[in-house]
Amino acid sequence: SYVLTQPPSVSVAPGKTARLTCGGNNFGSKTVHWYQQKAGQAPVLVIDYDSDRPSGIPERFSGSNSGNTATLTISRVEAGDEADYYCQVWDSSSDHVLFGGGTKLTVL
Amino acid sequence: VQLVQSGAEVKKPGAAVKVSCKTSGYTFTSYAYHWVRQAPGQRLEWMGWINVYNGKIKFSQKFQGRVTLTTDTSANTAYMELSSLSSEDTAVYFCARGPGLTIFGAADYWGQGTLVTVAS
Repeated sequence: SYVLTQPPSVSVAPGKTARLTCGGNNFGSKTVHWYQQKAGQAPVLVIDYDSDRPSGIPERFSGSNSGNTATLTISRVEAGDEADYYCQVWDSSSDHVLFGGGTKLTVL
Repeated sequence: VQLVQSGAEVKKPGAAVKVSCKTSGYTFTSYAYHWVRQAPGQRLEWMGWINVYNGKIKFSQKFQGRVTLTTDTSANTAYMELSSLSSEDTAVYFCARGPGLTIFGAADYWGQGTLVTVAS
């Protein structure tokens, strides 16, 4: 079955840029969505359709998808960005919605 | 837009649990509803999807035969029932709204989650 691979953790200093990746075979043909989940809360959609930012999400959040990797980029990282981030796709071969394993973003 | 889920449940092994997701602030029948669970300290896990807009239902193979997804359009509410519970089903269960036109779309609004604890 299709597997989405995310690094377990990423650390970044405040004000710097965080790049969170999500990998899979032939990823460029899939549409990727990204969710932010803070401790004890429900996920929040931060990027949909690879690079679109829903209303209310700061411009500091951006997304891209090329080749076998999708990337969520958070510019000028703030302490409030500390959370788990999940990528998600729909896999046509299994007819399943899939989530990556999640990346814990730590703001130093 | 709001999705408000039912409260925490404690169930014994072998029992079933039914979680509700009451929606408001938009047209319930124009959308689909994903059910996603998260075991303690684990990743998000997709269980299935019911599309009120076009009547389609899809399940994760893992839960096929054990999960039932229904809706009550008069109450703008979606339901997820999981049977034959075991301790491995202890998790927070989320409902989330998806677009009615396609399963490719993102889940743009989520319920607050319902903790289901399975213990003897």
